Amino acid sequence: DTAVSQTPKYLVTQMGNDKSIKCEQNLGHDTMYWYKQDSKKFLKIMFSYNNKELIINETVPNRFSPKSPDKAHLNLHINSLELGDSAVYFCASSPRARGRETDTQYFGPGTRLTVL
Amino acid sequence: AQSVTQLGSHVSVSEGALVLLRCNYSSSVPPYLFWYVQYPNQGLQLLLKYTSAATLVKGINGFEAEFKKSETSFHLTKPSAHMSDAAEYFCAVSVPGGNTGKLIFGQGTTLQVKP
Repeated sequence: DTAVSQTPKYLVTQMGNDKSIKCEQNLGHDTMYWYKQDSKKFLKIMFSYNNKELIINETVPNRFSPKSPDKAHLNLHINSLELGDSAVYFCASSPRARGRETDTQYFGPGTRLTVL
Repeated sequence: AQSVTQLGSHVSVSEGALVLLRCNYSSSVPPYLFWYVQYPNQGLQLLLKYTSAATLVKGINGFEAEFKKSETSFHLTKPSAHMSDAAEYFCAVSVPGGNTGKLIFGQGTTLQVKP
């Protein structure tokens, strides 16, 4: 069983479209994250949720909106896609609500988004 | 503010040779430090982490790292490289007491292993 899964694996779309990436974890973890990896492989946190509560919201355009229907799912919705949004997006989860700064984060396989 | 610098974006070693990947951190408080590995077209997985217990940390696949406060370093080593070690390696820092789990990553080091 995949611990952290993401769909789709690849997403190719036109500028201006709206798209969503889904993430699910079956580890029973309390905290979930979204990261963006750019073309130079630099990784940056975007959002973090704990039990459906937003706890990290980095400086990202408000076209990006995370949604957490329950603690096992954290989806990423992107409006009005731009060329610069092309990247690999990783979902991750970690076990605890408190003391999470020492917890291992478990990453999904990534979603490669290409905006044409 | 915390930051991480990985010296050398690309390291090439021969199979069987020592692997040394460098990581220096900047932090106003003693940090927690992590090394993650990313194999091609996969997500990241944890190699090892330092959370203020032993300064020499052993991880998976024969890797280890030593936290040196005086040098603000957390270099990753492996005595003998294997072809399967070829991957992207990321050093990361998190903030004690922040309780957000926010990881700040270095820019990554690509490890090439030559036969």
